[in-house]
Amino acid sequence: QEQLVQSGAEVKKPGASVKVSCQASGYTFTKFYVHWVRQAPGQGPEWMGVFNPNENTTNLSQRFQGRLTMSGDMATTTVTMELSGLRSDDTGLYYCARDKRITATAPANELDLWGQGTLVTVSS
Amino acid sequence: DIQLTQSPSSLSASIGDRVTITCRANQTVVIYINWYLFKPGQAPKLLIYTSKYLQSGVPSRFSGSGYGTDFTLTISSLQPEDFGTYFCQHGFSVHPLTFGRGTKVEIK
Repeated sequence: QEQLVQSGAEVKKPGASVKVSCQASGYTFTKFYVHWVRQAPGQGPEWMGVFNPNENTTNLSQRFQGRLTMSGDMATTTVTMELSGLRSDDTGLYYCARDKRITATAPANELDLWGQGTLVTVSS
Repeated sequence: DIQLTQSPSSLSASIGDRVTITCRANQTVVIYINWYLFKPGQAPKLLIYTSKYLQSGVPSRFSGSGYGTDFTLTISSLQPEDFGTYFCQHGFSVHPLTFGRGTKVEIK
């Protein structure tokens, strides 16, 4: 059964960093891109960036440039997103999601498998 | 960034009703619009991709259409499990991906 399982909720203080992990199972980890999307309370989802597990490369939204990193571990089939310099408006649900298209081509940007979401709360 | 405007922002409909949600882009996205259903506490679900293609496992009462800047998601006969918030998202790769602000569907 294909699934993405994310790490648990986090509470952080302003200025801190948070890491959210996303473990893939049921499919070949390196075969598909993984996107990160977040949703602040009462807002629409916001795309953060995409990670290529086959090449360990990223394409990040300019909005997060300088404070967002994505990495992958083939041994544990896990993708990790780290966001630094946290602010109160970073509070929200963070999702990982798989792209429909294989990493041998450009992403399709069609997200066909999602994690359950990780709540990140930034509060002093 | 491409802006997507969904309407209505919310609706209440009865079981069996036909429901239509629209998504308008402020510049062309060709055919690259996808539709998702978000429910609290659940993983979001891809319903329609590339404007009109039904994702595997999604009931055939869901359909999509549109080209350029105007797109539509239709539920031909609303079912109790269809409650939640629907979002459109563009996948036009030359631009950062963006989502609409959502349409909340409630069952009367």
